[in-house]
Amino acid sequence: GQQVMQIPQYQHVQEGEDFTTYCNSSTTLSNIQWYKQRPGGHPVFLIQLVKSGEVKKQKRLTFQFGEAKKNSSLHITATQTTDVGTYFCRNAGGTSYGKLTFGQGTILTVHP
Amino acid sequence: NAGVTQTPKFQVLKTGQSMTLQCAQDMNHEYMSWYRQDPGMGLRLIHYSVGAGITDQGEVPNGYNVSRSTTEDFPLRLLSAAPSQTSVYFCASIETGGGKAFFGQGTRLTVV
Repeated sequence: GQQVMQIPQYQHVQEGEDFTTYCNSSTTLSNIQWYKQRPGGHPVFLIQLVKSGEVKKQKRLTFQFGEAKKNSSLHITATQTTDVGTYFCRNAGGTSYGKLTFGQGTILTVHP
Repeated sequence: NAGVTQTPKFQVLKTGQSMTLQCAQDMNHEYMSWYRQDPGMGLRLIHYSVGAGITDQGEVPNGYNVSRSTTEDFPLRLLSAAPSQTSVYFCASIETGGGKAFFGQGTRLTVV
């Protein structure tokens, strides 16, 4: 599967601050998925983006897919302590779904 | 609907011992994968399967074997455990077509 690079690896914010993580690929992606893993938990699917320039919102979370379909971002407005965890992006396109790999993830810490 | 059931949740092995991590899904997904997660390394793909009787290697397959005799089950075998295999292991079942991944609860393995 196509590799995706995720930045930053770590992010520490004060509660109420915004947070953004980026997912980048050197090649065009078919679609991108985002997952959240709470500390001690397992990754849970958040959303999938398919179209060029697509923007989707889930409450305080905004997901974007770049126009060239080579990058994506997850933005959290006014972070809360419940946002703590690791956020992963995943290239979900192609025909070999089982082999698809994840980005390294961004570990978000929110200080109250 | 149980989704993905992964057992055991915790395991301690001595170097050289063998064991099998069990993974079962009840969603009739063709694609299943095994990942290991280490601090700062994200999710690394060990082995994957695109259907019963078909398996292939991922990024870090050495020291692990898999088989897929049925659609439901995808066990991961550690042949001769080594301390480097201390990790958290996740099994994932991937939705056909959409590619959405459903994860098991994880197995925390310590090799001493």
